Amino acid sequence: DSGVTQTPKHLITATGQRVTLRCSPRSGDLSVYWYQQSLDQGLQFLIQYYNGEERAKGNILERFSAQQFPDLHSELNLSSLELGDSALYFCASKKSGEGGPRDTQYFGPGTRLTVL
Amino acid sequence: AQKITQTQPGMFVQEKEAVTLDCTYDTSDPSYGLFWYKQPSSGEMIFLIYQGSYDQQNATEGRYSLNFQKARKSANLVISASQLGDSAMYFCAMREVPPYSGAGSYQLTFGKGTKLSVIP
Repeated sequence: DSGVTQTPKHLITATGQRVTLRCSPRSGDLSVYWYQQSLDQGLQFLIQYYNGEERAKGNILERFSAQQFPDLHSELNLSSLELGDSALYFCASKKSGEGGPRDTQYFGPGTRLTVL
Repeated sequence: AQKITQTQPGMFVQEKEAVTLDCTYDTSDPSYGLFWYKQPSSGEMIFLIYQGSYDQQNATEGRYSLNFQKARKSANLVISASQLGDSAMYFCAMREVPPYSGAGSYQLTFGKGTKLSVIP
């Protein structure tokens, strides 16, 4: 158990809908990263938050947004869903936003999103 | 250009044998970190081992070791004494450290993975 929790574990929805994925980082971790894993794109970085502020953006669509709350949990919002958004969405956390490369990211169990 | 290359889509190994999973990387940053993660069929990503670009010795964690050849830009994972529970996808990942990291990020760039199957 990595200590990172994600809910829900599975989500099935229809095209055009909006969903929210939730992540609670490990105790004491200030940084939260979101990744998407799909069959065709592999594992891709979406966005990072550090202590409530957006720190970096990767290949995140404009239909997607995220935020990190004062208690450090994070939510990833996906709207106007398309079939191609079906994927496994991971949240990862680590202690600091800076630090050396030794800071390890620990992944949550993921949320499997299926868009029908 | 692909930053992390894992050339073996699938590998088979006999139980109790050792296996090497290949990973090559591409970066111009002098400071970077290399990670290996395991993803069993249940889906979670499990951190296995880390190697820093300035580390003098190859990393080891139990049955996992990293064969780090900096000049060749390779960071191969060696699993000794394979077990049935080692059957999974294995991902190599890199984190680069930008020179002015005050506003930087440390996201991971992943390879496409290698599916390891351990045969009893």
